[in-house]
Amino acid sequence: DGGITQSPKYLFRKEGQNVTLSCEQNLNHDAMYWYRQDPGQGLRLIYYSQIVNDFQKGDIAEGYSVSREKKESFPLTVTSAQKNPTAFYLCASSPLADTQYFGPGTRLTVL
Amino acid sequence: AQSVTQLGSHVSVSEGALVLLRCNYSSSVPPYLFWYVQYPNQGLQLLLKYTSAATLVKGINGFEAEFKKSETSFHLTKPSAHMSDAAEYFCAVSDRGSYIPTFGRGTSLIVHP
Repeated sequence: DGGITQSPKYLFRKEGQNVTLSCEQNLNHDAMYWYRQDPGQGLRLIYYSQIVNDFQKGDIAEGYSVSREKKESFPLTVTSAQKNPTAFYLCASSPLADTQYFGPGTRLTVL
Repeated sequence: AQSVTQLGSHVSVSEGALVLLRCNYSSSVPPYLFWYVQYPNQGLQLLLKYTSAATLVKGINGFEAEFKKSETSFHLTKPSAHMSDAAEYFCAVSDRGSYIPTFGRGTSLIVHP
């Protein structure tokens, strides 16, 4: 089955720790995205990538980093510079200007 | 830059009543328009999309939306609400040729028995 997967489903981070969220797709989509979702704020774009080895900052990139070494994979690292990382993180992929396909999300909590 | 306005962060209806969720966009050129649904602790899934064919678009679960260029609107409707429709609904807009959609803030649909 084609789809997009995220892991882990729940993640806990200690102060000063970097954590990496996984996102994999087998839909052969060129574009991949990371969003952050907080209650009442909708989806905010963190990073996006249109092709392998290239990515651009979204609206709230500070404190996050990404890589796109393979078409199928777009991991997100939440660094210690992100002071308020507790949120629900959604990964998505899409063809150009078409439907976005979302993963099930990762809920990150700071201890 | 595009902007999307979803009027009402919460909409409450009785089971069996009409559902109307409002979405307005800012583009002067008809864009691609989408409605997504999100159930608690899950990702978003597509309900329906408009890409320049018929202005009345039918989606899954009995939802439909009408593109009205003169009003720059793409409101989502369903004739009769079901308890299982309770969820968060997001309107999104993409300019033609763009990889980057703009999402509205979402509307939480509450369905009372």
